Amino acid sequence: KNQVEQSPQSLIILEGKNCTLQCNYTVSPFSNLRWYKQDTGRGPVSLTIMTFSENTKSNGRYTATLDADTKQSSLHITASQLSDSASYICVVSDRGSTLGRLYFGRGTQLTVWP
Amino acid sequence: EADIYQTPRYLVIGTGKKITLECSQTMGHDKMYWYQQDPGMELHLIHYSYGVNSTEKGDLSSESTVSRIRTEHFPLTLESARPSHTSQYLCASSDGLAGAPSYNEQFFGPGTRLTVL
Repeated sequence: KNQVEQSPQSLIILEGKNCTLQCNYTVSPFSNLRWYKQDTGRGPVSLTIMTFSENTKSNGRYTATLDADTKQSSLHITASQLSDSASYICVVSDRGSTLGRLYFGRGTQLTVWP
Repeated sequence: EADIYQTPRYLVIGTGKKITLECSQTMGHDKMYWYQQDPGMELHLIHYSYGVNSTEKGDLSSESTVSRIRTEHFPLTLESARPSHTSQYLCASSDGLAGAPSYNEQFFGPGTRLTVL
């Protein structure tokens, strides 16, 4: 069964600190993995995308890693800001259908305190 | 920011009412999607469309219906709303070009928060 599991479920950190969010998946055949940021009451916004051959992708203070062998990904946030408070969702796409099915994790709710 | 719009943003209605949630995109994308999301839970696909006059049901059973008469427009309708329909509804679109890095890049609208009393 294709699944995406994220940990931790929630995380509280102080402004300026770093943090790392985890994602494990069983989606096969694998196409790509994305990290989305979803602010409360808003739609998800894409942060990074990685295909099978990529193991690191950065977007400003966000750095995603992918280990396709162990089917694990992480999102590292550097020097956190209050605006980083949001849900971070790991999304894996398969290449087994023309629809391009997406499999969503439940997200990690990050809260940054001043 | 993606050019995909949803209205209304918030809706509170009584049981039994008929409602239509609007979704429009200006990117010329062929594929469009409707997701349902409850707090702290993952997004569930309820409807999708490959293009004009094409609609399919998603993974999660839903009493809603959709139509795709124009490329840019993908409305979702509930004929008789019930409290169990209370949720956030997210619309998305993608160009779905197979083989391109952007394959399956789905752009999301801001969502409609529906409350049925």
